[in-house]
Amino acid sequence: NAGVTQTPKFQVLKTGQSMTLQCAQDMNHEYMSWYRQDPGMGLRLIHYSVGAGITDQGEVPNGYNVSRSTTEDFPLRLLSAAPSQTSVYFCASSYTRLAGVASTDTQYFGPGTRLTVL
Amino acid sequence: GQQVMQIPQYQHVQEGEDFTTYCNSSTTLSNIQWYKQRPGGHPVFLIQLVKSGEVKKQKRLTFQFGEAKKNSSLHITATQTTDVGTYFCAGRGYSTLTFGKGTMLLVSP
Repeated sequence: NAGVTQTPKFQVLKTGQSMTLQCAQDMNHEYMSWYRQDPGMGLRLIHYSVGAGITDQGEVPNGYNVSRSTTEDFPLRLLSAAPSQTSVYFCASSYTRLAGVASTDTQYFGPGTRLTVL
Repeated sequence: GQQVMQIPQYQHVQEGEDFTTYCNSSTTLSNIQWYKQRPGGHPVFLIQLVKSGEVKKQKRLTFQFGEAKKNSSLHITATQTTDVGTYFCAGRGYSTLTFGKGTMLLVSP
């Protein structure tokens, strides 16, 4: 049981390049999300998914695309990288969450991808 | 949108001193979670509080959820060097989980 895995661990891009950050989980979690972490800014939600085929925007979605074709995978695509996207990116997954109802929704985080855009 | 404020931003203590971080939400929460992130690592779940006024303990760590379910605190008694890291609260509103900016704890031996 690997938990949440992310690849690559480190990446350097040039402005304008595109790339996909990979995230996979083997816990059969329905809820997956992407966060970015910048110094002094905490964790900010980019996109999330409540199940295969369903995605929605978080707090900072501009410049990123996601899709969820399977329960296990939730890739994050940077369409045209900008220096402002230099950050640490974390993928997280959790059990099904019932909207508006208190539930156990522990977030399991991957190890992160450290992205630098020059 | 929902906002979660966390204070202090940073605290440096001597080993053996106590430490507290506070979390306040702009809206009523269905639950609040606490995470710890070691330097260079990823956030790791510590605990979830669901009920109004709930208090939970994990060894030297005490977690509280306010009566109005809008605030929470984490208290560490007699800090150790292994407590070093950033502590995040995360408030669950209706549809999203919002993280505070975290409190970085440094413990000197």
